[in-house]
Amino acid sequence: EVQLVESGGGLVQPGASLKLSCVASGFTFSDYWMSWVRQTPGKTMEWIGDIKYDGSYTNYAPSLKNRFTISRDNAKSTLYLQMSNVRSEDTATYYCTRALFDYWGQGVMVTVSS
Amino acid sequence: DIQMTQSPSFLSATVGDRVTINCKASQNINKYLNWYQQKLGEAPKRLIYNTNSLQTGIPSRFSGSGSGTDYTLTISSLQPEDVATYFCLQHNSGYTFGAGTKLELK
Repeated sequence: EVQLVESGGGLVQPGASLKLSCVASGFTFSDYWMSWVRQTPGKTMEWIGDIKYDGSYTNYAPSLKNRFTISRDNAKSTLYLQMSNVRSEDTATYYCTRALFDYWGQGVMVTVSS
Repeated sequence: DIQMTQSPSFLSATVGDRVTINCKASQNINKYLNWYQQKLGEAPKRLIYNTNSLQTGIPSRFSGSGSGTDYTLTISSLQPEDVATYFCLQHNSGYTFGAGTKLELK
């Protein structure tokens, strides 16, 4: 059974950094592109970016590429999202998804507030 | 960027009803359109991919259709467990989501 479990969320102050993790199981992690998607409190879904199966290539939504960085550790079957200089509009639930968005994690909440 | 307009935003229906949800793209997306179901507190679940391919394990009462810019998710006979929010995703050029349709029982 494919499972994706996110962690690392919480309350963070504006301007701070935060790193989210997503541990994958039930499939060969190193065979798949992976993505991060977020859902705002108003339920709007936004693609953040993705990473090639070997970690050699990443794509980002243009509005986020200067502050967010996606990486992976295939030995640990773990996907990461490094968020820097966070803003109130980054408040959302963050999901990791497998390639083509066929499987999603349960999500992790990030709240940016002072 | 491709914009996705999903309708309706809210839908109230009775068990057994035929339910349709629509997504309209701002340009041709060549049938690269997925549908998802999201129940409260759960991970989104892919129902349909590439317009009309049913995800393994999804009941056959769910179906998808469309082409060009206009796409439809149909639930042929609504069941109580179908209460959820449904959203579409285009993956023809970048990735853009519809705003979602909240489906409730009347």
